[in-house]
Amino acid sequence: QVTLRESGPALVEPTQTLTLTCTFSGTTSAMCVSWIRQPPGKALEWLAHIDCDDDKYYSTSLKTRLIISKDTSKSQVVLTMSNVDRLDTATYYCARMMWKFGRWSPFDIWGQGTVVTVSS
Amino acid sequence: HSALTQPASVSGSPGQSITISCIGTSSDVGDYDYVSWYQQHPGKAPKVMIYDVNKRPSGVSSRFSGSKSGDTASLTISGLQGEDEAVYYCSSYTSSTTWVFGGGTKLTVL
Repeated sequence: QVTLRESGPALVEPTQTLTLTCTFSGTTSAMCVSWIRQPPGKALEWLAHIDCDDDKYYSTSLKTRLIISKDTSKSQVVLTMSNVDRLDTATYYCARMMWKFGRWSPFDIWGQGTVVTVSS
Repeated sequence: HSALTQPASVSGSPGQSITISCIGTSSDVGDYDYVSWYQQHPGKAPKVMIYDVNKRPSGVSSRFSGSKSGDTASLTISGLQGEDEAVYYCSSYTSSTTWVFGGGTKLTVL
């Protein structure tokens, strides 16, 4: 059974860089992960995706601030977001999505989310 | 790509059916069959209910169904139950090789 778990700082100061980690358990293959966030009381927003073959995709509006990477030896996918602002306060989720048999899967497995507050 | 457009809220009585719409464009919903629907209960992570417009993952009730016409996708829940009360989000792949979500629809079971 594959599970995902997000981790990262609960509080980050404005202008700093936020680093979030998604740790896989139950498999070392098919580490194909998107990061999705949800500000308090608001909708989901897709941020970035790293595919099983290490292809990377970024939100058009945030791509200058995001870097997604993978460390297979640690079963981890890392998202860094630079120059954070209070508007980046949100619950951040990682979710598995795979390119399989010529099609994208849905976001079929989600972590429980990690809450990040941007404040001085 | 702007967020997909969903109604803010819908409601229905137990046993009734409701439909939630999700309006996109010809660059997302209208051009790809990668429309998914997610259910989110308060304080919980989203759960996929429908994918590829009208497919149900194993374990999801057959009361949930999806469809698409042009740039608009729809989620229908029949035989409403109290446990269906949640926020529902649609999602689509886009021509920019990104993914976009809708604004979410709060379903109230009266």
